[in-house]
Amino acid sequence: TQLLEQSPQFLSIQEGENLTVYCNSSSVFSSLQWYRQEPGEGPVLLVTVVTGGEVKKLKRLTFQFGDARKDSSLHITAAQPGDTGLYLCGGSSGSARQLTFGSGTQLTVLP
Amino acid sequence: KAGVTQTPRYLIKTRGQQVTLSCSPISGHRSVSWYQQTPGQGLQFLFEYFSETQRNKGNFPGRFSGRQFSNSRSEMNVSTLELGDSALYLCASSLVAGYNSPLHFGNGTRLTVT
Repeated sequence: TQLLEQSPQFLSIQEGENLTVYCNSSSVFSSLQWYRQEPGEGPVLLVTVVTGGEVKKLKRLTFQFGDARKDSSLHITAAQPGDTGLYLCGGSSGSARQLTFGSGTQLTVLP
Repeated sequence: KAGVTQTPRYLIKTRGQQVTLSCSPISGHRSVSWYQQTPGQGLQFLFEYFSETQRNKGNFPGRFSGRQFSNSRSEMNVSTLELGDSALYLCASSLVAGYNSPLHFGNGTRLTVT
């Protein structure tokens, strides 16, 4: 069974601060996706990374896929209250469509 | 384009009953996946359907079943409900089956079993 561990589980910061969320596994993933979920809604895809060492930027969010494709990180610069939400990483391998999700990081950005 | 629609949004059932949840994917999407989300276990994969065929199944008991219709709409059924089945059930659609195809989630059905 492939497992994804996310850390930290909870994170509360002030507006303007930077933060990094981690997603780690002992398994190799073909691709990894990051989602953000807000209360009462389903997760919304932020990015998909597929190549080891890949770095993708989405405005103030920077995503990195580890060289060995076993880990990923999400870095947010100058966090804003609108960044508040549950951040989930999900990985898939081989031809299986199934995504294995981490337990999530609940981020709260205080104004 | 309308997003993924799940009905109903909320359900309250008692132990032993059965329940059917519905999911309408984004128009043109042929793959539908179902996930269970709980505070303790997070998001767990239930099953995936593509072109009316179940392509993949997660590690859930046989009480959990699903199907997909020719118009790609999907339903999942849970029989003999247990207290532990209380969860947010999320449906996600994608254009094709494939590990890089982005998942588009609905807002879920919140099931409470009493």
